[in-house]
Amino acid sequence: GDSVTQMEGPVTLSEEAFLTINCTYTATGYPSLFWYVQYPGEGLQLLLKATKADDKGSNKGFEATYRKETTSFHLEKGSVQVSDSAVYFCALSEQGGSEKLVFGKGTKLTVNP
Amino acid sequence: DAGVIQSPRHEVTEMGQEVTLRCKPISGHNSLFWYRQTMMRGLELLIYFNNNVPIDDSGMPEDRFSAKMPNASFSTLKIQPSEPRDSAVYFCASSRVGDNEQFFGPGTRLTVL
Repeated sequence: GDSVTQMEGPVTLSEEAFLTINCTYTATGYPSLFWYVQYPGEGLQLLLKATKADDKGSNKGFEATYRKETTSFHLEKGSVQVSDSAVYFCALSEQGGSEKLVFGKGTKLTVNP
Repeated sequence: DAGVIQSPRHEVTEMGQEVTLRCKPISGHNSLFWYRQTMMRGLELLIYFNNNVPIDDSGMPEDRFSAKMPNASFSTLKIQPSEPRDSAVYFCASSRVGDNEQFFGPGTRLTVL
C-alpha cells in the first residue's frame, strides 16, 4: 500500500538556521502531498500542499516541491524561529478521490534562541 | 466559525471500563475521521465516515472499538472494555467530501490504568 517515510527526529536547530526535513513516498499513481504541523498540545493543522508534479507548496516561509522523479516532498525553511518548534508530518492522499491521508511518523523540531 | 470540537480533553479510567469519546465536526463538513496517536505507532487512521456512513473501518484495532455517526454534527468512538494499551491521544478530523484538507480537533488524551 501507499506509504510515507520521513527523516527521523528529533531535529534541534538554532534560531535563523536553515531547515530541511526529508520526506519520500511510495504510491501508485499521482497522489497529492501535504505537510501538517502539530504544535504542543494541539491537533494537526495543514501547513502546505501540492497536488501535481513540480508544484511548489508554500506557507509561513516554509516550502516543499513535489518531485515525481525522486518521489520526494522535502520541507524547507530558510530561517527558522523559536515559534516553529513543533512536530511536522508529511502525508499523501490516495489517488482516486479518496479522502484518506497516509501520514509519516512525524519529525519533532526544536528551535533554540 | 468553530473548529472541530472534541470532548473530553482528558480521560483517565481503569482497565475494563467503557470509554466514550465525542466529536463535533465543522459545520458543512461531511467527512469525519478518527485517528489514534502514540509514540510507538505514530498517527493511525481508525475509521472514517462520508455523509454519516462508515466508509473504511480497517484501522479499528478490534471488536472492543466501535464508532458511530448518528447525524452530521456528532460522532462517538467507544472502547469497551478499555485496556492499558489503548492509552493514546485520539483525534477527530473533518473535511468536505472530495477535499483532501482535513481539520483536526485538539484531541482527547486517554489514560487507561
